[in-house]
Amino acid sequence: AQSVTQLDSHVSVSEGTPVLLRCNYSSSYSPSLFWYVQHPNKGLQLLLKYTSAATLVKGINGFEAEFKKSETSFHLTKPSAHMSDAAEYFCVVSFSNTGNQFYFGTGTSLTVIP
Amino acid sequence: GAVVSQHPSWVICKSGTSVKIECRSLDFQATTMFWYRQFPKQSLMLMATSNEGSKATYEQGVEKDKFLINHASLTLSTLTVTSAHPEDSSFYICSAPLGGRETQYFGPGTRLLVL
Repeated sequence: AQSVTQLDSHVSVSEGTPVLLRCNYSSSYSPSLFWYVQHPNKGLQLLLKYTSAATLVKGINGFEAEFKKSETSFHLTKPSAHMSDAAEYFCVVSFSNTGNQFYFGTGTSLTVIP
Repeated sequence: GAVVSQHPSWVICKSGTSVKIECRSLDFQATTMFWYRQFPKQSLMLMATSNEGSKATYEQGVEKDKFLINHASLTLSTLTVTSAHPEDSSFYICSAPLGGRETQYFGPGTRLLVL
């Protein structure tokens, strides 16, 4: 079965400290992986994507993620959290056998403490 | 970049009425569009795949007669919530792919409140 799992429903960090949001997927097909951010009452914004090129992907606002096939993971990181990073983050995957269909993780709510 | 719009952004209606939500790709054509719903503090759940020129494909558990989808053109898909009830209150989001499965653009969402 194909699935995507975000291991933490809520992450809280202090401003200026690193951020780690975890995502794992399960599938025997080649995945494309994405991280989207959703600020309150706003639409989804693409942070970064992996589509079989470089395994370390750099996105907007200082975020990056590394695709690790052996661990079936695509964790999102940022060296130093900013107050404006507080939002809901979704790991999203699409698989080669399901065309354009996206599968969303359950989301991780990031709180940044001043 | 590519833009997807939704209209309306907010709608409040009485129970029993029908509500139509539009999803438009503004500067690209989309033969496929996707409709999601998101309950408060939850993830997006795919409801259906809208296909231009053919019937929509619904996910398991989604009522076809309740949520009518029409992909009228290569830039417009509509979702009609028929005989809306309070439990249909949710945030409805559409998306359209550009360039295969590598890129999807999401609309800003439509918040529906059924009284």
